[in-house]
Amino acid sequence: GQQVMQIPQYQHVQEGEDFTTYCNSSTTLSNIQWYKQRPGGHPVFLIQLVKSGEVKKQKRLTFQFGEAKKNSSLHITATQTTDVGTYFCAGPVTGNQFYFGTGTSLTVIP
Amino acid sequence: DGGITQSPKYLFRKEGQNVTLSCEQNLNHDAMYWYRQDPGQGLRLIYYSQIVNDFQKGDIAEGYSVSREKKESFPLTVTSAQKNPTAFYLCASSGDRTNEQYFGPGTRLTVT
Repeated sequence: GQQVMQIPQYQHVQEGEDFTTYCNSSTTLSNIQWYKQRPGGHPVFLIQLVKSGEVKKQKRLTFQFGEAKKNSSLHITATQTTDVGTYFCAGPVTGNQFYFGTGTSLTVIP
Repeated sequence: DGGITQSPKYLFRKEGQNVTLSCEQNLNHDAMYWYRQDPGQGLRLIYYSQIVNDFQKGDIAEGYSVSREKKESFPLTVTSAQKNPTAFYLCASSGDRTNEQYFGPGTRLTVT
């Protein structure tokens, strides 16, 4: 079946350093979503990428969808303590059903 | 104030008891989902429903049951057949225009 893997599983950075998490699918995806879950909270939708090679920015966050639509990345520039949390990618299985990646837990050291 | 509510936030049960987790949404979404999250793990799909009176099993449906009698409500029952029921349970919904999922605050279930 479809698998969506994320690396790294954990990342510790000094405040101000950059951070990147990578998402890889075993199959081609029609689109990919990214979510953020703060410690003790619930996942919150960040963005959806649809087109091959698409790049979208949200302030310090940059999201990319690979040319082959099998991988994606989230890059945070100059991390802040508010960026702490677990970042998940999610790819569609059928229709509205999405398969979530394993997540990358980000710790920002002040 | 639109959104998804789950209750209770924390739930404690003895082994061998069935327990039902509540999930209600007022977003007028057709699709609803139940996920299980274990410490340091991703989200695993238990059941999902695309429309009232219809639902499908996800990856880990064994030991769980659901119903979808109303559009707004998608309760999950954790039965005594579920071998490791202690976990964080998240309910979500999505609409027709976008398949962005909106999550509830979750229920942390502890079974001893």
